[in-house]
Amino acid sequence: DTAVSQTPKYLVTQMGNDKSIKCEQNLGHDTMYWYKQDSKKFLKIMFSYNNKELIINETVPNRFSPKSPDKAHLNLHINSLELGDSAVYFCASSQVGGETQYFGPGTRLLVL
Amino acid sequence: QKEVEQNSGPLSVPEGAIASLNCTYSDRGSQSFFWYRQYSGKSPELIMFIYSNGDKEDGRFTAQLNKASQYVSLLIRDSQPSDSATYLCAVKDGGFKTIFGAGTRLFVKA
Repeated sequence: DTAVSQTPKYLVTQMGNDKSIKCEQNLGHDTMYWYKQDSKKFLKIMFSYNNKELIINETVPNRFSPKSPDKAHLNLHINSLELGDSAVYFCASSQVGGETQYFGPGTRLLVL
Repeated sequence: QKEVEQNSGPLSVPEGAIASLNCTYSDRGSQSFFWYRQYSGKSPELIMFIYSNGDKEDGRFTAQLNKASQYVSLLIRDSQPSDSATYLCAVKDGGFKTIFGAGTRLFVKA
């Protein structure tokens, strides 16, 4: 069983479209994260939820909106996609306190 | 702005040698320190974590922490071609936030 799963794995779309990425973890963790990894491999935190509550909200355009329907799921919706949004988006989870993080396989987003 | 700095590499070592990867961090309040390995096209996976000053060994890997110098390192003994990957240093504050370095690419030549 996959511990942290993301869908879709690949996403190719046109500028201006709206898209969503879904993440699910079956580890029983309370904390989930979204990271963006750009072409230079820099992994940057975007958001974090602890038990469905938003606890980290970095300087991210408000076109990005996370949602956590329950503590096992964290989704990311992106409005009005731009070329610069092209990256790999990783979901991760950890137990409370944010120690070791377990990453999903990533969603490779390409905006044309 | 809290930062984690790593040399991007590539660091190239021959098979069987010791690979030494270094990392510095800016936040003196940092509590926990991690090394993740990321193969090309894959997600990061934890190799080691360290909380206290000194060395921590796990198999061929040794993490070293010096909080006074704000310095973390990872030594890989008997390097293998399968160790070729990008190694990400990560530093966590006392709360929920973990800052990742940009990673060092390691290449182990057979």
